Amino acid sequence: RKEVEQDPGPFNVPEGATVAFNCTYSNSASQSFFWYRQDCRKEPKLLMSVYSSGNEDGRFTAQLNRASQYISLLIRDSKLSDSATYLCVVNDYKLSFGAGTTVTVRA
Amino acid sequence: DAGVIQSPRHEVTEMGQEVTLRCKPISGHNSLFWYRQTMMRGLELLIYFNNNVPIDDSGMPEDRFSAKMPNASFSTLKIQPSEPRDSAVYFCASSTLAAKSSYNEQFFGPGTRLTVL
Repeated sequence: RKEVEQDPGPFNVPEGATVAFNCTYSNSASQSFFWYRQDCRKEPKLLMSVYSSGNEDGRFTAQLNRASQYISLLIRDSKLSDSATYLCVVNDYKLSFGAGTTVTVRA
Repeated sequence: DAGVIQSPRHEVTEMGQEVTLRCKPISGHNSLFWYRQTMMRGLELLIYFNNNVPIDDSGMPEDRFSAKMPNASFSTLKIQPSEPRDSAVYFCASSTLAAKSSYNEQFFGPGTRLTVL
């Protein structure tokens, strides 16, 4: 089993829609998680950290479910500029990246 | 802040040639990571350093790959001899160590796009 698994998508949504997707991780002892965003032919950049209690940053909400070992990302009121690949990251003694979920927001 | 600097940005070489990729981490960061990204395999960690010391090189695919960090401001990833299957984007990232052996945010360089013919 891979350390981090994501639904690759793509998720094609209209502007203004809400889109959500999950990521599962294999190490039950993992404590720290991130979501990174990667635009086409660019480097990954941190989108947000994921806290145990869940956290929100503008239109983005991240949740952690330790019992089921998954984290989620929800994007509200999606914009064209949200089109990207979202990488789930488990932060143990090294960072383990998922393969990414591709989101395409259409006009 | 210049961010993580990588060179070259693009490299095209022929099979069998030696390739050297370079990275300058963000000043003050004490951890450096080398990744490879392909469509098939996604983002793979090759090796990482803490305080210039290699900690885990289990991701290095073969002996053809080697990495060094002679000082806090410079690292190289070398492939010798290169093969077509090494074609990928190679990213360098730097970070600082947080508590309990985890890491704070990693800042990625723009990557080196390597094509081996």
